[in-house]
Amino acid sequence: KQEVTQIPAALSVPEGENLVLNCSFTDSAIYNLQWFRQDPGKGLTSLLLIQSSQREQTSGRLNASLDKSSGRSTLYIAASQPGDSATYLCAVPLGGQNFVFGPGTRLSVLP
Amino acid sequence: GAVVSQHPSWVICKSGTSVKIECRSLDFQATTMFWYRQFPKQSLMLMATSNEGSKATYEQGVEKDKFLINHASLTLSTLTVTSAHPEDSSFYICSARWQGSNQPQHFGDGTRLSIL
Repeated sequence: KQEVTQIPAALSVPEGENLVLNCSFTDSAIYNLQWFRQDPGKGLTSLLLIQSSQREQTSGRLNASLDKSSGRSTLYIAASQPGDSATYLCAVPLGGQNFVFGPGTRLSVLP
Repeated sequence: GAVVSQHPSWVICKSGTSVKIECRSLDFQATTMFWYRQFPKQSLMLMATSNEGSKATYEQGVEKDKFLINHASLTLSTLTVTSAHPEDSSFYICSARWQGSNQPQHFGDGTRLSIL
């Protein structure tokens, strides 16, 4: 059974800091890993998708890495801004169907 | 980018009524759609997976007779919560994917269901 964990559960940083969010998964047989952002009371916005053959993906100030063998992914946010405040979720599909989500990291970037 | 529209965004209704939530892929054909439920301060939990033209596959513990899913076309899936009760109050989110498992899922904005 695939289990996804994320640390830290919550993070509060001053504006401008670089930060790293961590995601771990127990079954390395994944097709890909996706990072999402969820604002309160809203749906999910896809940030980055890393295929199993890739080691990292970059989009603007975001960089996600994937190490399948160790079952880990990190999301690096550079020069954080108050608008980055949200819950960040990582998720992996298993067997082509189930999409297992981590519990999320609640990020607060203080002005 | 791919857009998934979910409607309605908020529903408040009396206990015992049935509520239908629609999930539409606006600019791509969704061969697979997923329905999730999210309780406050918790992560998303998969309820069911539906492939166009087939019966939905429900996760363990999800009552298929209570949560009716129809995926009659490549752009529309519906979730009907039958005889809803207060414990069904939650945030329901759909997602859609085109073809294979290596494709990303695109999520709707969610429906907040409140049963009085």
